Amino acid sequence: SQTIHQWPATLVQPVGSPLSLECTVEGTSNPNLYWYRQAAGRGLQLLFYSVGIGQISSEVPQNLSASRPQDRQFILSSKKLLLSDSGFYLCASDGGYSNQPQHFGDGTRLSIL
Amino acid sequence: EDQVTQSPEALRLQEGESSSLNCSYTVSGLRGLFWYRQDPGKGPEFLFTLYSAGEEKEKERLKATLTKKESFLHITAPKPEDSATYLCAVRQQGSNYKLTFGKGTLLTVNP
Repeated sequence: SQTIHQWPATLVQPVGSPLSLECTVEGTSNPNLYWYRQAAGRGLQLLFYSVGIGQISSEVPQNLSASRPQDRQFILSSKKLLLSDSGFYLCASDGGYSNQPQHFGDGTRLSIL
Repeated sequence: EDQVTQSPEALRLQEGESSSLNCSYTVSGLRGLFWYRQDPGKGPEFLFTLYSAGEEKEKERLKATLTKKESFLHITAPKPEDSATYLCAVRQQGSNYKLTFGKGTLLTVNP
């Protein structure tokens, strides 16, 4: 079964600082990878997904970017954080086969001051 | 317009008091409906996938059912450890990847 590792678990950053959140996946090859943001009362919002190394699709325009340098590594970045970037960030993976459930990491709580 | 609506937003039960959570969806062509459990400060944990109307899945005290317009998560004789937020998500025809999530139902089971 898949295991999704995310770090750090919590992060406090000042406005205007850069960001790098990392996600790695164990137990599967060629997974589809996803970044979500979860805000209170608003559900999970898909930010980016990737079907392979170097292949990134963005769902919403924003201050963030994503990269996939290795098959099982997915990185969420920002050059300059905004207050509105605060939230709970979740990485997810599925097996790369269509219509499989996504499995989630335990997330990063990001607070912008 | 929300494609996935969960109700109620919050539900309080006494231990042993059975109930159901609802997930209604309006996507045209359903490829799959997924139920997750999420504990505070954690990522969602996958519970069930349902693919077609009439399908049912069970796990311990939980049973998920699916019709053409909605899904129910039935909780039989719940225990305090069943307290969590339950999320529903759908994948529609034409999408191999994207899941659309509802906002969840916060379930609290009192001892």
